[in-house]
Amino acid sequence: AQKITQTQPGMFVQEKEAVTLDCTYDTSDQSYGLFWYKQPSSGEMIFLIYQGSYDEQNATEGRYSLNFQKARKSANLVISASQLGDSAMYFCAMRETNQAGTALIFGKGTTLSVSS
Amino acid sequence: DVKVTQSSRYLVKRTGEKVFLECVQDMDHENMFWYRQDPGLGLRLIYFSYDVKMKEKGDIPEGYSVSREKKERFSLILESASTNQTSMYLCASRPQGSYEQYFGPGTRLTVT
Repeated sequence: AQKITQTQPGMFVQEKEAVTLDCTYDTSDQSYGLFWYKQPSSGEMIFLIYQGSYDEQNATEGRYSLNFQKARKSANLVISASQLGDSAMYFCAMRETNQAGTALIFGKGTTLSVSS
Repeated sequence: DVKVTQSSRYLVKRTGEKVFLECVQDMDHENMFWYRQDPGLGLRLIYFSYDVKMKEKGDIPEGYSVSREKKERFSLILESASTNQTSMYLCASRPQGSYEQYFGPGTRLTVT
């Protein structure tokens, strides 16, 4: 069965520092995709970044980059130059495909706190 | 912009009541999903639908049912609410051929 593991319940960082949020995954599929979502205290889920298993380059979106290490089955999110507004819960997710369609399975999340 | 709306942000119901949570998306997406979110457990998939009148069980379907009579609307039904269904419920939609899911604002349900 597919599985997403986020081992850091909470992370603390100061403004302008870089931070890495860990994510490891387990799948027997050759084709898969990995996502990161941000959930501020208001509750909405905000899509940050996507990495396909066949993508040769690590995905980047502004201050977000995904450090994809296929052999180690890890897909860590790197946030450069943290801002106060980055304080939120972050979820790693993987798309899971069965005969009926495709859904996402999520990790348990990491709470990031950015201080000034 | 894609918009996914949920009928209530906060809901309080009594044990044994029948509860309807409504989700509407305005982008003609084929796929719709219901998740529940609990502290320390992340998001868990309850049901999803890939077409009108079609549904598939997710990881935790027990105690829930769904209805999709129109493409834009996906309803989650708690036939007889119980206190262990107190949770945040998140709806999402996704167009065919894309991997990104678009989420609604969530409904925080309390069952007393």
